[in-house]
Amino acid sequence: GNSVTQMEGPVTLSEEAFLTINCTYTATGYPSLFWYVQYPGEGLQLLLKATKADDKGSNKGFEATYRKETTSFHLEKGSVQVSDSAVYFCALWAGGGADGLTFGKGTHLIIQP
Amino acid sequence: DVKVTQSSRYLVKRTGEKVFLECVQDMDHENMFWYRQDPGLGLRLIYFSYDVKMKEKGDIPEGYSVSREKKERFSLILESASTNQTSMYLCASTQGRGRTDTQYFGPGTRLTVL
Repeated sequence: GNSVTQMEGPVTLSEEAFLTINCTYTATGYPSLFWYVQYPGEGLQLLLKATKADDKGSNKGFEATYRKETTSFHLEKGSVQVSDSAVYFCALWAGGGADGLTFGKGTHLIIQP
Repeated sequence: DVKVTQSSRYLVKRTGEKVFLECVQDMDHENMFWYRQDPGLGLRLIYFSYDVKMKEKGDIPEGYSVSREKKERFSLILESASTNQTSMYLCASTQGRGRTDTQYFGPGTRLTVL
């Protein structure tokens, strides 16, 4: 079956620090990979995605590269802000049917001024 | 922009009550999903639907049912609410069934069962 593993946190950083949130996956087939973000009290928003090996997704200063050889999709940002405090979910979708995303458990990120 | 709306942000019900959670999307999407979100467990798929009047069980369907009478609306039903169904419920939709399609989420309904 499919699964996603990510560091759970909480991860606490100072403003302007470099961020990495690790995500690895196992999947049958050839999945697409996603990062979603959930701000306090809100639903999930798509942050970025990548649909094939070596693709880099990017948005709002965040980046993640689809690494098929290491089955990873680590999220990075060069300089975090207090407004980046949120829960981040890594997810995959293998397609072939509308059977939903497989999510990691989420990483709670706290940025201190 | 895709918009997915859910009928309530917060809901409090009593054990044994029948509960309806409504979700509406405005982008004519074919596929709709219900997830529940619990701390330390992430999101888990309850049910999904790929067409009107069609439904498929997800990973944790026990205690739930769904209804999709119109393309834009997907309802989650708790036949007899129990305290272990206290959770955040998230609805999502997507146009296609290919792996490049993006799921768009609603704001969530936080349900408390007393």
